[in-house]
Amino acid sequence: GQQVMQIPQYQHVQEGEDFTTYCNSSTTLSNIQWYKQRPGGHPVFLIQLVKSGEVKKQKRLTFQFGEAKKNSSLHITATQTTDVGTYFCAGPLYNQGGKLIFGQGTELSVKP
Amino acid sequence: DAGITQSPRHKVTETGTPVTLRCHQTENHRYMYWYRQDPGHGLRLIHYSYGVKDTDKGEVSDGYSVSRSKTEDFLLTLESATSSQTSVYFCAISLSGLAGVISYEQYFGPGTRLTVT
Repeated sequence: GQQVMQIPQYQHVQEGEDFTTYCNSSTTLSNIQWYKQRPGGHPVFLIQLVKSGEVKKQKRLTFQFGEAKKNSSLHITATQTTDVGTYFCAGPLYNQGGKLIFGQGTELSVKP
Repeated sequence: DAGITQSPRHKVTETGTPVTLRCHQTENHRYMYWYRQDPGHGLRLIHYSYGVKDTDKGEVSDGYSVSRSKTEDFLLTLESATSSQTSVYFCAISLSGLAGVISYEQYFGPGTRLTVT
């Protein structure tokens, strides 16, 4: 069946270092979304990418959608302790309305 | 937060007892979802609803049922709770666009932590 894989599962960085998480789908996606979940919280929608090769920025966060629309990445420049949490990518299930399939997430910890 | 509340927020129950979790939204969104979240598995879809009395199964629906008799409420029932259903349960909605076009971005409720002993 359709799968979305994320790596790494965990990442520990020193404050100020950069961080990247990668998302790979077994199928071509019409769009991809990224969510952030703080410890003890709920997932919060960050952004949606739709176009092949699309790059979007939100302050220190850079999101990319691959040319083949099967992979994506989230890069955080100069991490801060406020970036701590788990980052999930998600893509629509093919031909199944608004249903999403989520990656397993990358848990980011930041040492001050 | 798209006006989503979940109740209860925490529950401890015994194996074999029925449990109902409630998701309530205040903005008349058509699409609602129930997920469970377990370490190493991310978010997995249990059931979803695309309108009043219109529901369908997700990838981990065994042992769960849902009902939606009003737009604002989506109920998840564990008919006979098992320890494997110990998890955090999230409700979510999609922002529905014009002419029935689905907006894929989802907004989540605060979650219910369920422990089955």
